[in-house]
Amino acid sequence: NSKVIQTPRYLVKGQGQKAKMRCIPEKGHPVVFWYQQNKNNEFKFLINFQNQEVLQQIDMTEKRFSAECPSNSPCSLEIQSSEAGDSALYLCASSLTGYSYEQYFGPGTRLTVL
Amino acid sequence: DAKTTQPDSMESTEGETVHLPCSHATISGNEYIYWYRQVPLQGPEYVTHGLQQNTTNSMAFLAIASDRKSSTLILPHVSLRDAAVYHCILRVSSSFSKLVFGQGTSLSVVP
Repeated sequence: NSKVIQTPRYLVKGQGQKAKMRCIPEKGHPVVFWYQQNKNNEFKFLINFQNQEVLQQIDMTEKRFSAECPSNSPCSLEIQSSEAGDSALYLCASSLTGYSYEQYFGPGTRLTVL
Repeated sequence: DAKTTQPDSMESTEGETVHLPCSHATISGNEYIYWYRQVPLQGPEYVTHGLQQNTTNSMAFLAIASDRKSSTLILPHVSLRDAAVYHCILRVSSSFSKLVFGQGTSLSVVP
């Protein structure tokens, strides 16, 4: 069973507001991924980290989102100015490094932008 | 990332053994076959993965065709708790590579 913790479970924001969500990866997992799952259940990769360093991110994340994984603190994903289209389930997953280790997911933060 | 093809939905009865097929005709040599499942209001759950040989764990048996162009996830003696969307995903052999989810197969289990 996954031990990835995500808070809050539910988040409601108005358009233009900041929305911040946090993730504590499984103990000892240095690789963290963020995904977005929309209401059509389509997944989109957003960004991944190894420890504090960004490995990959998509264009959208670079422009409107900010994410970090500071040492000894939860990882976070923040939308600077929420839009209606950002309403989705935001999933955090963590993994060991090495050869094809599986990713373990948290329960997600469901963001609703009114 | 190469594409997989799965049926949209399947139905089974409690206690049955379920075979979930996945086609991946353009799989590359360095791609693993991963299976995840997701129930409503939860994140995806890892089920199993394999490269070439069949694999088994407490959750499922993964049968991989000898040419690797298809695979079948076998769930023995399903229960109501096994009802979920099952995703078959190809992923290169690196823990840094992202998962690319498709629509998956929605498995329903009836008593």
